[in-house]
Amino acid sequence: KAGVTQTPRYLIKTRGQQVTLSCSPISGHRSVSWYQQTPGQGLQFLFEYFSETQRNKGNFPGRFSGRQSSNSRSEMNVSTLELGDSALYLCASSLRASYNSPLHFGNGTRLTVT
Amino acid sequence: DQQVKQNSPSLSVQEGRISILNCDYTNSMFDYFLWYKKYPAEGPTFLISISSIKDKNEDGRFTVFLNKSAKHLSLHIVPSQPGDSAVYFCAASGTSGGGADGLTFGKGTHLIIQP
Repeated sequence: KAGVTQTPRYLIKTRGQQVTLSCSPISGHRSVSWYQQTPGQGLQFLFEYFSETQRNKGNFPGRFSGRQSSNSRSEMNVSTLELGDSALYLCASSLRASYNSPLHFGNGTRLTVT
Repeated sequence: DQQVKQNSPSLSVQEGRISILNCDYTNSMFDYFLWYKKYPAEGPTFLISISSIKDKNEDGRFTVFLNKSAKHLSLHIVPSQPGDSAVYFCAASGTSGGGADGLTFGKGTHLIIQP
């Protein structure tokens, strides 16, 4: 069974631009979550989608948004990029809602904002 | 305020011996706990989980122990192998109120297995 696929693997953007990251979950998984990993803050929860609806959202500004399609694929968008948005963005999928079902992560998108 | 703490940034263990990784949490609403392993340039890989109704869960060489009164969990790897060298993350979530905050992760412990 194919794992979680994230595209692209690497992105370089300029401050003020916007970016869209994509995620294909494991087949059959209905929940998709996004996490940001930075050296200082570690792994932090961004949001979770289940059956096209945002279930939960972490403590991030409204510049961070996402969506999930009917085929469970998900996209994350960051508008008006700031230097501090440079991070590894990880997508994870799970069979059920993530609070009692293990998350399976992709290899991430490395975003660099200059 | 770190709700999940891994106080050892790194740990070195000899091949064949037991590796013990520790994790403390402060939020009493957490009732589901997981361990992940991460290699450089890859996403975290799920290892093992435990719910608060248990105090131990085993899967092959990996055992997780949960001490709810101490708000402490540990991961035991026996025997340790060279491929176990990686960063290990402890994570927790709460089902009360619908698990609103996703998983809360510790900062990780870098395990180094010495030959």
